[in-house]
Amino acid sequence: EIVLTQSPGTLSLSPGERATLSCRASQSGSNTNLAWYQQKPGQAPRLLIYGASSRATGIPDRFSGSGSGTDFTLTISRLEPEDFAVYYCQQYGSAPLTFGGGTKVEIK
Amino acid sequence: QVQLQESGPGLVKPSETLSLTCTVSGYSISSGYYWGWIRQTPGKGLEWIGSINHGGTTFYNPSLNSRVTISVDTSKNQFSLKLNSVTAADTAVYYCARDVPSGNFDYWGQGTLVTVSS
Repeated sequence: EIVLTQSPGTLSLSPGERATLSCRASQSGSNTNLAWYQQKPGQAPRLLIYGASSRATGIPDRFSGSGSGTDFTLTISRLEPEDFAVYYCQQYGSAPLTFGGGTKVEIK
Repeated sequence: QVQLQESGPGLVKPSETLSLTCTVSGYSISSGYYWGWIRQTPGKGLEWIGSINHGGTTFYNPSLNSRVTISVDTSKNQFSLKLNSVTAADTAVYYCARDVPSGNFDYWGQGTLVTVSS
């Protein structure tokens, strides 16, 4: 099973700042089969990025993903108030599908 | 607009079977894709349970494989989850979601909390 480790656990930033979130896989089976989700309290996760760098339908271009192999990054270029949430990565290159533990982006 | 809605008991006794159904609207399950179940707990985070396609082909997480059955009813545009021999560790919010062919989830239900307790 591929274990995904997300860092940092919490990111304290102000609106307008840039957020850089990391997701590291325990094995390289993920290739670019990695997705990012945003989750707000009481809501289901929302798909942001798939294929490591492709934005899902309706996702603003301030969200971007990069990486391959074992190291992946989600970047939010300028934080909007609605972007403060928890972010999860998920790999689907190797069964079973697995999720990272999440990074909380909070208002500083 | 694709929508998914979970339904089922919110309380299940230990050792019994957890049963949930996901009703899909805005898209016919028979048209394709896989359909999955994911659960979320404060301790273990998000955990993929398994997925099924319209033909009934299933993939399960090995950690739950022996206790899980996912089935599909295309006539009702629904798919279902059964998890047997539940314990308190199975207490979680259970989500159903559309599993795009490569394995990520683009549409999710709102989630339903299932508590295992006597």
